[in-house]
Amino acid sequence: SQQGEEDPQALSIQEGENATMNCSYKTSINNLQWYRQNSGRGLVHLILIRSNEREKHSGRLRVTLDTSKKSSSLLITASRAADTASYFCATVSGSARQLTFGSGTQLTVLP
Amino acid sequence: DARVTQTPRHKVTEMGQEVTMRCQPILGHNTVFWYRQTMMQGLELLAYFRNRAPLDDSGMPKDRFSAEMPDATLATLKIQPSEPRDSAVYFCASGLEDGTEAFFGQGTRLTVV
Repeated sequence: SQQGEEDPQALSIQEGENATMNCSYKTSINNLQWYRQNSGRGLVHLILIRSNEREKHSGRLRVTLDTSKKSSSLLITASRAADTASYFCATVSGSARQLTFGSGTQLTVLP
Repeated sequence: DARVTQTPRHKVTEMGQEVTMRCQPILGHNTVFWYRQTMMQGLELLAYFRNRAPLDDSGMPKDRFSAEMPDATLATLKIQPSEPRDSAVYFCASGLEDGTEAFFGQGTRLTVV
């Protein structure tokens, strides 16, 4: 079963614009991670935010976490055509550190 | 260049045949995950191991699927007998038990006809 749902399912923007994707989850977590998947490839880790953190930055990525609402958002600033991919949130929960993925957002950045 | 290696990359098989997928985790990683990805269901966690012991395989149909780690350098996922509904991309990922970054292989694209 999937832990999270992502919104929107698909997003199309122009190069240079910002892209925001949202993730909601159901249970308490240890941390939340965002991954990227290019078509036909494996997933690649982008950024991790711990349950006691509220915001984190990495290059053009900004992640927020609201544990009271069980939600997270990923912001990609100044998007590029090369950012076109599917983006997934994943939660780590429990003492066994189970890693469970959301449904993903398909981002298309038009040149 | 540390990476997770999955074999085969592609597999086409007939319904009823046994399928074995293999995964070599990154050396030193003690946690291994198996996921199945389809358009309809997204990424489903099938099973995961820590220090070669299964922690949770509740996502896996037990009647036909089995997952093992014969040693620290090899994880296997078997389907016997395979069915057309098993057609999907199967991913293996490895990481450390602290629950930080997981590293994914390139996947095995399985087609059961």
